[in-house]
Amino acid sequence: GDSVTQMEGPVTLSEEAFLTINCTYTATGYPSLFWYVQYPGEGLQLLLKATKADDKGSNKGFEATYRKETTSFHLEKGSVQVSDSAVYFCALSENTGTASKLTFGTGTRLQVML
Amino acid sequence: NAGVMQNPRHLVRRRGQEARLRCSPMKGHSHVYWYRQLPEEGLKFMVYLQKENIIDESGMPKERFSAEFPKEGPSILRIQQVVRGDSAAYFCASSQDRGRLNEQFFGPGTRLTVL
Repeated sequence: GDSVTQMEGPVTLSEEAFLTINCTYTATGYPSLFWYVQYPGEGLQLLLKATKADDKGSNKGFEATYRKETTSFHLEKGSVQVSDSAVYFCALSENTGTASKLTFGTGTRLQVML
Repeated sequence: NAGVMQNPRHLVRRRGQEARLRCSPMKGHSHVYWYRQLPEEGLKFMVYLQKENIIDESGMPKERFSAEFPKEGPSILRIQQVVRGDSAAYFCASSQDRGRLNEQFFGPGTRLTVL
């Protein structure tokens, strides 16, 4: 079945540092890939997405490129801020039959310090 | 334009009681998904519903859990005879269509605590 593997956290960085959170996936077809962010006590918010190979999703300074050859969708940001502290989830959606459920990774907690 | 609404936000139940969680999808959305997040884990798919129909319940435990999405009113996730292992955050999401290109919008979740 489908699966998503994320690097374990927590990831602790100083403000303005470069961020990479690794994500790889296993899927039988051609999934769409997503990054969601969850702030403390809140639900998930879509951060960015990519729907086909070589697409780059970007939002709020975050980027991720859909790499079919390495089955990866790593999240990057050039300069993190304290307000980026949250849990980040990589996910995929594969339209199999009648359902298009999301399969999530376990999440990576990011802590950004001043 | 209101987002996905869930209530209650926090629910405390004693073992053996019933828990009833409600989800109102975004306006214009007819597809609802329920996910469960156990402490320090990712979200796990439970069930996918359209109005009056369960489309995919492959992630639902076989016993004690049920879901509905009636023609009128919110979607309901019902857990009968709750046990401590049911303590989790339950998130509802909605989408306009079912395809993989359609974004799912998440509600704030209901945090269930079983004493």
